[in-house]
Amino acid sequence: DAKTTQPPSMDCAEGRAANLPCNHSTISGNEYVYWYRQIHSQGPQYIIHGLKNNETNEMASLIITEDRKSSTLILPHATLRDTAVYYCIVDTGNQFYFGTGTSLTVIP
Amino acid sequence: NAGVTQTPKFRILKIGQSMTLQCTQDMNHNYMYWYRQDPGMGLKLIYYSVGAGITDKGEVPNGYNVSRSTTEDFPLRLELAAPSQTSVYFCASSNAWDRSSYEQYFGPGTRLTVT
Repeated sequence: DAKTTQPPSMDCAEGRAANLPCNHSTISGNEYVYWYRQIHSQGPQYIIHGLKNNETNEMASLIITEDRKSSTLILPHATLRDTAVYYCIVDTGNQFYFGTGTSLTVIP
Repeated sequence: NAGVTQTPKFRILKIGQSMTLQCTQDMNHNYMYWYRQDPGMGLKLIYYSVGAGITDKGEVPNGYNVSRSTTEDFPLRLELAAPSQTSVYFCASSNAWDRSSYEQYFGPGTRLTVT
């Protein structure tokens, strides 16, 4: 069962920040939130993950609300190469459940 | 490192035929996974393995079999192929020693058509 809810699609202007929301209201205390993206039909690519604190790496930032029921992935300066489907996933232990994700289109 | 490699890239099967999808990783990862992705959908877990000799069912295991005799290899077997198994198959691996590090590395996929 998918444990996350994401908007099906979003647009973002090139060079602007892309903010992708995710709801995970049934998340348990020790479950991590992971973000992956899939460009065309390639294998998904790991972006970032977190438990309760905000996280940042060279690709993106992850903001998790204090109650942990939602999170936002931020791509600070979106480029055309960031056009992809973005998946928010709650780690349930050994299994990841991928929903249908958010299709992000970066517009020139 | 080659990462996760999958063969073949494409395959067309007739109904009732069988085949094995190969997956190899060279990162010494303990966990390996098989997913399928139908058009316009997210990935669904078929089987996974937490180490050599240990496998377990995922969300959609029916019609498939796996084995894990080595750390590196995790083949997926399709017996009696059906049109419903037409999909893109992804293999992945991770070094999941604790819950803070379940980052999965994916292969390029195998596109399978059953007619």
